[in-house]
Parts: sequence; C-alpha cells; structure tokens
Amino acid sequence: DGGITQSPKYLFRKEGQNVTLSCEQNLNHDAMYWYRQDPGQGLRLIYYSQIVNDFQKGDIAEGYSVSREKKESFPLTVTSAQKNPTAFYLCASTEDSSSTNYGYTFGSGTRLTVV
Amino acid sequence: DAKTTQPPSMDCAEGRAANLPCNHSTISGNEYVYWYRQIHSQGPQYIIHGLKNNETNEMASLIITEDRKSSTLILPHATLRDTAVYYCIVGTSYGKLTFGQGTILTVHP
Repeated sequence: DGGITQSPKYLFRKEGQNVTLSCEQNLNHDAMYWYRQDPGQGLRLIYYSQIVNDFQKGDIAEGYSVSREKKESFPLTVTSAQKNPTAFYLCASTEDSSSTNYGYTFGSGTRLTVV
Repeated sequence: DAKTTQPPSMDCAEGRAANLPCNHSTISGNEYVYWYRQIHSQGPQYIIHGLKNNETNEMASLIITEDRKSSTLILPHATLRDTAVYYCIVGTSYGKLTFGQGTILTVHP
C-alpha cells in the first residue's frame, strides 16, 4: 500500500543535540511538507518542498533544516538552535503543489521529547 | 491566505448526524475548502474537499453556501470512532494548507 512513513515514532534528545526525523513516501507525490503540532494546538508549517533539490521556509523555520535529494524522501533536522523542540512532528505530501485540487496525505507522526 | 472560523467543540449522539460548521468569509475564487480530522496522536486524515458544488463521498458530505463564505461537514450517522478534532481549511497558493485549532467533536453513546 502507498503511504508516508515517519520514523521513529518516539524520539528523545538531549539538549544541545541535533536530531533528524525521517519521512519517506511511495506515492510519487511531488510536494512534501513538515508541520509541528503542540498540545491542544493546530498544525504549523515548518518547511515545504515542491520539487527535488528545492525547498522553502514555512511559518516557523528557525532552528530547523531540511533536504530534498530524492523525490520520495524529505528528512527534517531539528538543530540545537531550536529553543523549544518538544512537539509532535507531522510529514505530509500532495500530488501537485501548484494546484489546490489535491488533498494531503499525512504520516503517523514523530513525537520528539527533549530530556 | 483565507482563514477559517470553527466552534471549539461540539457534541453528537451516536447514530445521529453530526453537522460541523465553518466560516471562511475571505475565501478567494480559486481556493478549495478542505476538511480533515485528527484522532489523538495520529496524523490528520483527509475527509473531503470542494470548490463550490456540494460533495459527497463514503465518509461525509460537504455543503458549501452559494456565496462560498461558509460550509458544513455532515457525518450522516456518527459513531464513537468519529470522535476527533475536525479541521476546516481553505487551500492556499502552492498547495500550502494552514491549519487552525479545529472543532473537537465528541460522539456520545
């Protein structure tokens, strides 16, 4: 079955460490997105990528970095510069980002906790 | 980007129709209305979307007013498994969707 796989499901990080969250899709979707969700809140866009080797900052990109070397992969690195990284991170993809006639497919999320 | 307004919470009895409202008075002509839902600690699930005509699929119906300033998601026979946060979103350029805080729907036995 096609879908989006996020790993790991739970991740613990010590303060000052960088950590990379994985997101892989086999849907042949062009665009991929990273969102952050805090308890009781909606989703906020971190970064998005419409094509390979290109990506744009979302609303809360500070302290995060991404790469898009392959169409199916869009890893997110949470750097030590992110002051409050504990959150639920969601990856999504859509078939054609130039049109709003497509819905998003979401992964099951990674819950990051800084200890 | 057009914004949406939803009630923070709603209740519904099991087996009855759940009608979730959404206001989007600043929607532009080429923006779609999307509905997603999120069950606790899972990724959001796509439900339905529409431009100006009413839409129906196996999960729900979407009713969009003629002026497109509001819409209603209808779950025709709510079950306990429909308890979730429901997000009404208006499509932005380049496919970016902006999620608000949504409506917490609680279905009671």
